[in-house]
Amino acid sequence: DSGVTQTPKHLITATGQRVTLRCSPRSGDLSVYWYQQSLDQGLQFLIQYYNGEERAKGNILERFSAQQFPDLHSELNLSSLELGDSALYFCASSPLFNEQFFGPGTRLTVL
Amino acid sequence: GQQLNQSPQSMFIQEGEDVSMNCTSSSIFNTWLWYKQDPGEGPVLLIALYKAGELTSNGRLTAQFGITRKDSFLNISASIPSDVGIYFCAGSLMDSNYQLIWGAGTKLIIKP
Repeated sequence: DSGVTQTPKHLITATGQRVTLRCSPRSGDLSVYWYQQSLDQGLQFLIQYYNGEERAKGNILERFSAQQFPDLHSELNLSSLELGDSALYFCASSPLFNEQFFGPGTRLTVL
Repeated sequence: GQQLNQSPQSMFIQEGEDVSMNCTSSSIFNTWLWYKQDPGEGPVLLIALYKAGELTSNGRLTAQFGITRKDSFLNISASIPSDVGIYFCAGSLMDSNYQLIWGAGTKLIIKP
């Protein structure tokens, strides 16, 4: 158990809908990262927050947005969902940078 | 963007065999990390390396930070069935703000 929690574990929705994925980092970790992993693919970095501020952006679509709240939990919002958005979404946290500890993921299925 | 070349892409191994995989880049890194991912689960950090030439073990796993700072190696000795999974390398560049660059993964499969 990495100490990073993610909810929900599974999410099934329809095209065009909007969903919110939630992540609670390890106690004391200030950085939160979001990744997307499509079937049998590698990890695609989406976005990083550090202590509430956006720090780095990867290949995040404009339909996706995220934020980190004062209690350091983070939410990833995915809107106007398409079939291709079906994937595992991981959150990771780290105390500063470098070593990242991953949550169990949210499996999103768009029908 | 920056890339890490991780090889092999997949390996079929017999239980008890030693396994080697590596990551290389044309860029210089100041950190190398090795993760293992089981199907449907989040990657788990196995080993972190911070100095060129550093050799670190975690049980049957040994990883090295290459002397040139452009590569890293992971060895698994006497493989067992639970070693099956995908192994990812990740590194942070010397001139970056600690953003991790990820390899594409090495899939370990046990021969029946």
